[in-house]
Amino acid sequence: GAGVSQSPSNKVTEKGKDVELRCDPISGHTALYWYRQSLGQGLEFLIYFQGNSAPDKSGLPSDRFSAERTGGSVSTLTIQRTQQEDSAVYLCASSLVGGGLTDTQYFGPGTRLTVL
Amino acid sequence: AQSVAQPEDQVNVAEGNPLTVKCTYSVSGNPYLFWYVQYPNRGLQFLLKYITGDNLVKGSYGFEAEFNKSQTSFHLKKPSALVSDSALYFCACQRGFGNEKLTFGTGTRLTIIP
Repeated sequence: GAGVSQSPSNKVTEKGKDVELRCDPISGHTALYWYRQSLGQGLEFLIYFQGNSAPDKSGLPSDRFSAERTGGSVSTLTIQRTQQEDSAVYLCASSLVGGGLTDTQYFGPGTRLTVL
Repeated sequence: AQSVAQPEDQVNVAEGNPLTVKCTYSVSGNPYLFWYVQYPNRGLQFLLKYITGDNLVKGSYGFEAEFNKSQTSFHLKKPSALVSDSALYFCACQRGFGNEKLTFGTGTRLTIIP
């Protein structure tokens, strides 16, 4: 596609429910990233996928958060038993290369998650 | 660990005047530095980056930034501001070579006054 796409654009859920957020990277991009943007924490890294390598999960805030990337393309970020502090905009980015080579990360429009 | 500081939460500039948005960084080794812009209810848009080479890098929409190693700064500049430049600007750094994540500053809201 022309750019990174994310769905849904908005998600409202009740505390304790599970949510899934989806990211479609730019076609041909091998690296995929998830970030979170919140008022209190700013923009923070969550997880990074590069090809078939084990993902870098060092930014995930708790074990309620997980992500997978199927077929080296689409990624899903899952938050289990959501809490109010999970409310934020979740941004996905992709880049052409990774694994030690720097390339520009291009961001999607984000998913705004609100936990009531 | 790497960090980025944007010392100004808000910058106001009159239309047509030059603008500067400040950024300083702390990272071991050679830094890779980026500027992104965010318009309301939109994702981040890439403006420019410094990897190596010429310290002055030019990017989208007439923006440029100067890498200053001695001052560990990477300030964003534009010679003549437009009202449409009003947005939230983020500076970011990356250490590279196995550490791919971007570390962002807290953002600077730029308002161009007509």
